Formats: sequence, C-alpha cells, structure tokens
Amino acid sequence: QSALTQPASVSGSPGQSITISCTGSSSDVGNYNVVSWYQQHPGKAPKVMVYEVTKRPSGVSNRFSGSKSGNTASLTISGLEAEDEADYYCCSYASSNCVFGTGTKVTVL
Amino acid sequence: QLQLQESDPGLVKPSETLSLTCIVSGDSISSYNFYWGWIRQPPGKGLEWIGSIYFSGSPHSKSSLKSRVTLSVDTSKNQFSLRLSSVTAADTAIYYCARVVAGSYHIDYWGQGVLVTVSS
Repeated sequence: QSALTQPASVSGSPGQSITISCTGSSSDVGNYNVVSWYQQHPGKAPKVMVYEVTKRPSGVSNRFSGSKSGNTASLTISGLEAEDEADYYCCSYASSNCVFGTGTKVTVL
Repeated sequence: QLQLQESDPGLVKPSETLSLTCIVSGDSISSYNFYWGWIRQPPGKGLEWIGSIYFSGSPHSKSSLKSRVTLSVDTSKNQFSLRLSSVTAADTAIYYCARVVAGSYHIDYWGQGVLVTVSS
C-alpha cells in the first residue's frame, strides 16, 4: 500500500484551470471507482471536494471536477480563485483501507 | 450536526503505547452506513491512513502499521479508539478521527485533530 503519486506543486493565475494528477496502480486507482479528493488549508482539517471519482458533495463549488483514466485519477479546478490556494490530497480505496496521495500544493499566482 | 472530538494524550514516551479516543456527538455510532477511521499527519507532511472500524467490529488497518495498531468501538459511550504500540519519534503527528461513508469510502466528517508528540 504505497502512497499514490501526486505532483508536489501546481500553480495558476486567477480564472485559469489547473489539473492535479493522482497515479496509483491496478491494485487501487485502476481497480476501483472509489477515489476521493480533499482540500486542506493550513491548520485545518481536510475537506472532501470530490468522491467516487466524479461526485461532488453538497456545497462544493462546481468549479471542482474529477475524472479517472486507467491508474490515474485527476482533479480539475476551473476558474481558479484565491481561496483555492491549499494542499490537495487524493485517496483511493484498496484492500479495506484508503491510500492517500503524496499531496499537491496549489498556488494561486 | 455531527461532531467528532479526539482526546489529547499530549506527550508519549518512546516505546510506550499511544491511546486516543474519539467521542462522537450528534448521531449514533451504530450505523450501517459508516465506518469510523483514524488518519494522521506528521508536522509539515502529508496525510496517512491508519485504519477504520465498523460499529460491530471488523477493524482494518494499513498493512505497515497493522502489527502495532488496535482499533475498538464502544457503542454504549458512542466512541471509538486507537491504540498504537511501541511508538517512536516517527509517530509524532496530528491524529484525526473521522467518519467514513461505507461504499464510497470517503470521509465526510473529521475531528479537529490532536498533536501527539513522542519524546522522552
């Protein structure tokens, strides 16, 4: 159960779109449509932004969207806003556990 | 509104056992729709899944921690617990308890987190 691979950092200007990748294997991301994405601001608990690859919880902006292809899941943030600056983590179901990604720091330029 | 509150063990000495309890308020822990989980985050680092447990039992934990982790539930007190044995400095982290939605296996509620420091 190794951590899923995410880019360490992604940046974009306000209004732009960015995509964060989350690469696993056929034992986790590739085998289950059970990938969730979490946003974490400094000093705060994480907050779910997307679950089951593409679903958004009530109250989460539709600027956040998820997808998956093979062993890689992705989170796209469109119309980037200053408040989107945070750390983002993916998590995939695997063997009765969840495996987190390495985390991505999103910077709004 | 569901609330999760971790106990605060503060400082734990190396080789001892870290014990944490999560008190659940606002809903019953005895639901078929949720698991109850633990996640940790070393200072300045990423999230790490520790494990989860159903209200009726059946704990599952990360393979690399399994030999040191004990998960339990007390439905009478509406709380669940984590014990991590033989701790080292590498176990220093913010520990979060959480509610995990069964089926979709995502976390919809988190505790505020508690910093546990392992030091002599």
